Amino acid sequence: QVQLQESGPGLVKPSQTLSLTCTVSGASISSGSYYWSWIRQPAGQGLEWIGRIYTYGRINYNPSLKSRVTVSLDTSNNQFSLKLSSVTAADTAVYYCARADYGGYFDHWGQGTLVTVSS
Amino acid sequence: QSVLTQPPSVSGAPGQGVTISCTGTSSNIGAAYDVHWYQQLPGAAPKFLIYGNNNRPSGVPDRFSGSKSGTSASLAITGLQAEDEAVYYCQSYDSGLSGWVFGGGTKLTVL
Repeated sequence: QVQLQESGPGLVKPSQTLSLTCTVSGASISSGSYYWSWIRQPAGQGLEWIGRIYTYGRINYNPSLKSRVTVSLDTSNNQFSLKLSSVTAADTAVYYCARADYGGYFDHWGQGTLVTVSS
Repeated sequence: QSVLTQPPSVSGAPGQGVTISCTGTSSNIGAAYDVHWYQQLPGAAPKFLIYGNNNRPSGVPDRFSGSKSGTSASLAITGLQAEDEAVYYCQSYDSGLSGWVFGGGTKLTVL
């Protein structure tokens, strides 16, 4: 059974860098044809795709966030991570990590973690 | 403003059916990219409901079905149950953005 779990600080100061890690169990992030992805959801709003990294290393980001986002894999710990720089209050949201099948759908999600940007 | 357009809300009585639309453009749904649907219960992570326009993962009741035509897609739910009350999202790929896009979500109320 594939499970994903986000972890990281719940509070980040404005202008700093938000850093989150997603730990995957029940599957290896270094095998299979999957995209390991980050998605966020501000309170009361819809879902926004942030970025993805393919099992074999190819990376894509949402153009609206591209200048501030880095997604990377840590195959030794079966984790992948998100870094979002120069955060503002507009980056306050629940952040989800998710696995996407090569067909482009998110078949497994983490439970989500709330990150608040505030001084 | 979401790239894919959904109605903010729909409602129906128990036992009835509803349809939720998802309208895109020639760079996403109209470009033959698949549409997928998710159900988000209050306080929970989204759960994938329909993939590849009209396929149900195991465990999803056949009361849920998807379709796609041109630049639009639809999610149909028949035999409404109280537990279906949730927000539903469509998702596809956009070639102009070179990434995945979501609809704004539709809140289903079971009267």
